Amino acid sequence: QTVVTQEPSLTVSPGGTVTLTCASGTGAVTSASFLNWFQQKPGQAPRPLIWSATNRHTWTPARFSGSLLGGNAALTLSGVLPEDEADYYCLLHDGATWVFGGGTKLTVL
Amino acid sequence: EEQLAESGGGLVKPGGSLRLSCVTSGFSFRNAWMSWVRQTPGKGLQWVARIKTQSDGYTTEYAPFVKGRFTISRDDSENTVYLQMNSLKSDDTGVYYCSTSFDYWGQGTLVTVSS
Repeated sequence: QTVVTQEPSLTVSPGGTVTLTCASGTGAVTSASFLNWFQQKPGQAPRPLIWSATNRHTWTPARFSGSLLGGNAALTLSGVLPEDEADYYCLLHDGATWVFGGGTKLTVL
Repeated sequence: EEQLAESGGGLVKPGGSLRLSCVTSGFSFRNAWMSWVRQTPGKGLQWVARIKTQSDGYTTEYAPFVKGRFTISRDDSENTVYLQMNSLKSDDTGVYYCSTSFDYWGQGTLVTVSS
């Protein structure tokens, strides 16, 4: 099964900007239609943030943006708030099945 | 408001079976593709299975690590999706979530496979 790689952990200061990436082991992430981002806080279900690589859900704050960047998918948080501290997961379809990345633990410090 | 509520988790011995249910409301269930996703201590989030709608032939898809052991099904009259899990292994231990096409999620039900 495809391995999807994310940074294990990142730290950002409040008010700062950080970019999380999602790389597919089978090559460039090219199908924007099958790329989603989620936020998960302890004890909670994953919360969808971005669908089809770049589209925010109605509940997703504008400080979250998704893109395809250099063959990878990326999630950028601008003007980070303390409440953005969480785990972030990407999900992509590899042509056969859906595969989650290992997640990025974002610390706001 | 879209709501999904899983049930049926619990403690089961290796080789045993469990049937999970996910009752939904607040959206057109019969028009929704439904998935099960799990979160395990060892592997993190994993997509498990998906079932499409009647108009899509109730097509099912499975992750390779559950194929042949798990079966996803749905009852459109009850707005409910099921996951029948057989031949359970310790690696199947985790929280199981049901979801629409990853837009709406339940709160999960815990499955523990242990002797």
